[in-house]
Amino acid sequence: EPEVTQTPSHQVTQMGQEVILRCVPISNHLYFYWYRQILGQKVEFLVSFYNNEISEKSEIFDDQFSVERPDGSNFTLKIRSTKLEDSAMYFCASPKRDNPTYEQYFGPGTRLTVT
Amino acid sequence: QKEVEQNSGPLSVPEGAIASLNCTYSDRVSQSFFWYRQYSGKSPELIMSIYSNGDKEDGRFTAQLNKASQYVSLLIRDSQPSDSATYLCAVDFRSLGRLYFGRGTQLTVWP
Repeated sequence: EPEVTQTPSHQVTQMGQEVILRCVPISNHLYFYWYRQILGQKVEFLVSFYNNEISEKSEIFDDQFSVERPDGSNFTLKIRSTKLEDSAMYFCASPKRDNPTYEQYFGPGTRLTVT
Repeated sequence: QKEVEQNSGPLSVPEGAIASLNCTYSDRVSQSFFWYRQYSGKSPELIMSIYSNGDKEDGRFTAQLNKASQYVSLLIRDSQPSDSATYLCAVDFRSLGRLYFGRGTQLTVWP
């Protein structure tokens, strides 16, 4: 199975602080996705990103969120001013082939705890 | 409104039995369907994808799709205790990559 990596594995932050979550998707792929899962709830789509642009975002992905590709391989999800309700697992995902119709492989996730 | 519904369970089967997991979805024109397995505290792990009506088999797993009934299922044959996990049904309603997930069905396989 292709590998998607994420760092950090766990992030603890205080309410109002900014956090940056990092993902390295499958090599050379231009598509990737961010999802989140609040404890005990379903996995929810946040945003899809293609070739350095957001292709779709959900209603969850409001102005406090942003995604960037700071270099050729890494992608980041930034939460500008964290709230208690942002506490969740955040997953990035990459399609098996660089095409949105293919199966998505998930990274191990970052557990974000906002206190 | 795009919805993916699953029985939350828990579903409990003995080792060696067949486990049957069901999922319904709201949009008849959906094209892409996926089953993921998620162990507690871990990320979703892809088990199978299915795109056409009928059955698709991969080892002990069989996915079944009925687009007319808006229904997709996963059968696990010869269930093992290591299959104990939450099984997530995911639908890409527009084949653009955005996955909608059900709440998952918790499966326990007892020895």
